[in-house]
Amino acid sequence: DVKVTQSSRYLVKRTGEKVFLECVQDMDHENMFWYRQDPGLGLRLIYFSYDVKMKEKGDIPEGYSVSREKKERFSLILESASTNQTSMYLCASSYRTYGYTFGSGTRLTVV
Amino acid sequence: DQQVKQNSPSLSVQEGRISILNCDYTNSMFDYFLWYKKYPAEGPTFLISISSIKDKNEDGRFTVFLNKSAKHLSLHIVPSQPGDSAVYFCAASVGGSRLTFGEGTQLTVNP
Repeated sequence: DVKVTQSSRYLVKRTGEKVFLECVQDMDHENMFWYRQDPGLGLRLIYFSYDVKMKEKGDIPEGYSVSREKKERFSLILESASTNQTSMYLCASSYRTYGYTFGSGTRLTVV
Repeated sequence: DQQVKQNSPSLSVQEGRISILNCDYTNSMFDYFLWYKKYPAEGPTFLISISSIKDKNEDGRFTVFLNKSAKHLSLHIVPSQPGDSAVYFCAASVGGSRLTFGEGTQLTVNP
């Protein structure tokens, strides 16, 4: 089975901190995605990547950046964390877009 | 612009009865539709999908119906079981591109 591992289940950070969320997949998938899940808003796409060093903006990229230096790793960076970035962050990978595999999520709280 | 909408935030059914979850979309270019299921503190997991060339796909207790003229998708679960209690997301894509998710519906199956 494909495994997508997110480095932290829970994080608490202070406003203004730079925050790194890490995601690693073990099945050589080209595509990787970062979503955030908020009640009543569903899953919203922040950034995605189709290959190493490639990145594309999703629907809500403001306040975020990403890095993909290796195929298996896709990092989400909050440049200066704000309270409205408190959310559940979900990473996913896929060989083809039809078959997303999600990680377990990181619950980030910004105080 | 919410291209995929799940208008019911929650649904409650009795064990053994049918659960019907609905999803509407606005983008007529969508050609592949999926349902994901999410338990608390876990990532979403793939449940069932349907291509736009079909109007029905069945997998055990789960059946997805697609009405292209109405731009409407539904998921039927028969019989419903308490373990089906979860948040259900519908998702759609165009030609294998990124998935667009709905807001989710919380299904509660009461024993």
